[in-house]
Amino acid sequence: AQTVTQSQPEMSVQEAETVTLSCTYDTSESDYYLFWYKQPPSRQMILVIRQEAYKQQNATENRFSVNFQKAAKSFSLKISDSQLGDAAMYFCAFREGAQKLVFGQGTRLTINP
Amino acid sequence: DTGVSQDPRHKITKRGQNVTFRCDPISEHNRLYWYRQTLGQGPEFLTYFQNEAQLEKSRLLSDRFSAERPKGSFSTLEIQRTEQGDSAMYLCATTGPRSWYGYTFGSGTRLTVV
Repeated sequence: AQTVTQSQPEMSVQEAETVTLSCTYDTSESDYYLFWYKQPPSRQMILVIRQEAYKQQNATENRFSVNFQKAAKSFSLKISDSQLGDAAMYFCAFREGAQKLVFGQGTRLTINP
Repeated sequence: DTGVSQDPRHKITKRGQNVTFRCDPISEHNRLYWYRQTLGQGPEFLTYFQNEAQLEKSRLLSDRFSAERPKGSFSTLEIQRTEQGDSAMYLCATTGPRSWYGYTFGSGTRLTVV
């Protein structure tokens, strides 16, 4: 079974600085998708960024970028120029083909003004 | 149609009662997933539908849980004889033909069993 591990239960960063959230996963497949989702307090889960495993280029969405290391099965999220609105739970998720998403345990990110 | 809608947002029930939650997907989304999320944890998969067919059920889904998606539109999740351990956020997520883009989640139904 696929597993996703987020080893940082909590992280904090000063506003305007950069923070990196870690994620590792386990699979025997070569074709899959990886996602980072953000869940603000009492609000719905929203997609931050996605990465296809067959693409070597790391995905970027504005201030959010990933460091995808396929051989190491690592998928970290970098948030640049952190803003107060970035405070949330962040979940790393893995998916093979049309199957279900498997989530990590989450990292609670706090932004210090 | 702006997103995935879940109803109710909150439900408090007494142990032993039955509860039913509803999820209305984005209209063109043919896959619908139910997840359960306890406080401070990541969502755990419960079951999923492709159109009206229920294609996979987790071992977490005991015989007290049942889900339906008649006509491939909205879905319901029913919990019979609720237990305190059923207290959680129940999330619905849907995805369409371009499923690699990720899921769209609803706001969830928070169940409290007292």
